[in-house]
Amino acid sequence: GAVVSQHPSWVICKSGTSVKIECRSLDFQATTMFWYRQFPKQSLMLMATSNEGSKATYEQGVEKDKFLINHASLTLSTLTVTSAHPEDSSFYICSANHERGASYNEQFFGPGTRLTVL
Amino acid sequence: GENVEQHPSTLSVQEGDSAVIKCTYSDSASNYFPWYKQELGKRPQLIIDIRSNVGEKKDQRIAVTLNKTAKHFSLHITETQPEDSAVYFCAAISYSSASKIIFGSGTRLSIRP
Repeated sequence: GAVVSQHPSWVICKSGTSVKIECRSLDFQATTMFWYRQFPKQSLMLMATSNEGSKATYEQGVEKDKFLINHASLTLSTLTVTSAHPEDSSFYICSANHERGASYNEQFFGPGTRLTVL
Repeated sequence: GENVEQHPSTLSVQEGDSAVIKCTYSDSASNYFPWYKQELGKRPQLIIDIRSNVGEKKDQRIAVTLNKTAKHFSLHITETQPEDSAVYFCAAISYSSASKIIFGSGTRLSIRP
């Protein structure tokens, strides 16, 4: 159990276009999901916290108008990279919070989406 | 803000020897410390974790220690094997801050045959 999927696994797009990435918790409900970006040979950097039914909370330095997050259901969060540019090329990973009790939350990661902007 | 520092950035050990990776955290409210292993192009995989009410935890060849007073925690891998080669990330989480994972910068571990 506790499987998180992402789609697509990789995408190549032209500069100026928008790309949507989906993150799904397949066998559990997640009121909170997280979006990370990872550049080559670097760590995972938290971009935003996605909250079901409410606005996402963005980390400092992340443009909310460029990285649109929608968490419309308890099993799906989407990240849309708007007007993508080559510097947005990265590995995007989501994680979903699995609440296993009052004080024990475990996060499960999606397989990641590699975005290449030409 | 919250910060997790990790050392070393690269580590090369002879197969069969031990590897140690160290991390420090800044947020005193952190109460959960997972360690992840990430292979190239794949998702991070949880390999071991420790909570703030425990000082040490062991799972076969992997052990983690936590010093809350000093805000230090370490990963120990004994009897290293080629398949241990990967990038390892430490992390700190405070459930009082919406369970955000703050990752360390990562350690690239190479096991020499």
